[in-house]
Amino acid sequence: GAGVSQSPSNKVTEKGKDVELRCDPISGHTALYWYRQSLGQGLEFLIYFQGNSAPDKSGLPSDRFSAERTGGSVSTLTIQRTQQEDSAVYLCASSLADGGRGTQYFGPGTRLLVL
Amino acid sequence: SQQGEEDPQALSIQEGENATMNCSYKTSINNLQWYRQNSGRGLVHLILIRSNEREKHSGRLRVTLDTSKKSSSLLITASRAADTASYFCATDIELIFGTGTRLQVFP
Repeated sequence: GAGVSQSPSNKVTEKGKDVELRCDPISGHTALYWYRQSLGQGLEFLIYFQGNSAPDKSGLPSDRFSAERTGGSVSTLTIQRTQQEDSAVYLCASSLADGGRGTQYFGPGTRLLVL
Repeated sequence: SQQGEEDPQALSIQEGENATMNCSYKTSINNLQWYRQNSGRGLVHLILIRSNEREKHSGRLRVTLDTSKKSSSLLITASRAADTASYFCATDIELIFGTGTRLQVFP
């Protein structure tokens, strides 16, 4: 079945370059989340979209990070002027509803390495 | 299939009381994590316990892990109204979160 998909699966970039990560949520899911997971760590919440509401950006670590969700479906996470500490696995999840009422389904993640 | 199944689904207590919630999983794991989610926000990582650990503490949180029973428990001591949230567990094998335990702490 069609789950959450993310692209690219792996990305190696040089310090200072911009990167774009893409997430295709499960069709019909109104909530979309971006998380970051550094090696051996738990998930770090980045940003949350729910329907047409303004996104919750409280988890974005700096103004180099931004995300948008077009048409309530596909989302793009952009990291500008990448730094080595941005290296992590970036995970996207979607759910039918917000809060704790919907099971979150995660994509396979994008593994980002900043040299 | 879901790796993390939490129970109870809902729990209501008074401020100052302890809250215990449980999680079961299906396959062998390397670690298990507990998360909190306030209404309308993303998940916040609370604590991670490794498969070779039996108990771990962080502030008012105490987590236990029983790999023979494939279960974990999260204890919140001296609860506060601000602890009101949904609590989830997840394992490193498969990141699929269940519906969580919805904790309501009344002042």
